[in-house]
Amino acid sequence: HLVQSGAEVKKPGASVKVSCKASGYIFTSYGLSWVRQAPGQGLEWMGWISPYNGDTKYAQILQGRVTLTADTSTSTAYMELRNLRSDDTAVFYCARIMGALLLDYWGQGTLVTVSS
Amino acid sequence: EIVLTQSPGTLSLSPGERATLSCRATQNIRNSFLAWYQQKAGQPPRLLIYGASKRATGIPDRFSGSGSGADFTLTITRLEPEDFAVYYCQQYATSPPTFGPGTKVEIK
Repeated sequence: HLVQSGAEVKKPGASVKVSCKASGYIFTSYGLSWVRQAPGQGLEWMGWISPYNGDTKYAQILQGRVTLTADTSTSTAYMELRNLRSDDTAVFYCARIMGALLLDYWGQGTLVTVSS
Repeated sequence: EIVLTQSPGTLSLSPGERATLSCRATQNIRNSFLAWYQQKAGQPPRLLIYGASKRATGIPDRFSGSGSGADFTLTITRLEPEDFAVYYCQQYATSPPTFGPGTKVEIK
């Protein structure tokens, strides 16, 4: 079970940090990916984190603007996206990695709207 | 990066009919690491099929996946009203994992 934080409205140039609280499994036993979906569009992988050791990998297109972290004491993962632009408006999902980069359980999604 | 294309873009069918969705990759997908997800409006994607043909937990057997190499198919044998949704394929063999653009299955 993955529960994400609520919707956000941000101005261009700002940052947003979305949380994803895991329950029902051992947090450090599975990686977590983040995927975004612009309105009416498809799914775009953003990166993944291993809560076990903090290893991360990011999509090249977001390199330098996104940071994934995980707090094992609260079983919560975070996605921070900086220097927001209007085309970052999207629903952001966290998803558990079952193996390789297969995503078996997804959070409910967090809508981030970037608008001046 | 492996690019996935899905066809058709939209499939208009009636309940009870058979749906056949295609997913094609720009290169062979190692180990058939190809998954299918279903997404309904306002909901997150739900994993249906992984490893090209294995049903995820709780997925009805009217959903089946097949294929290998660079060509994969999702078949829904008899469409139920709750099956009308958008379906995405995803390859997870190589990083970055990539998704197809989706096939919308709509009620005719």
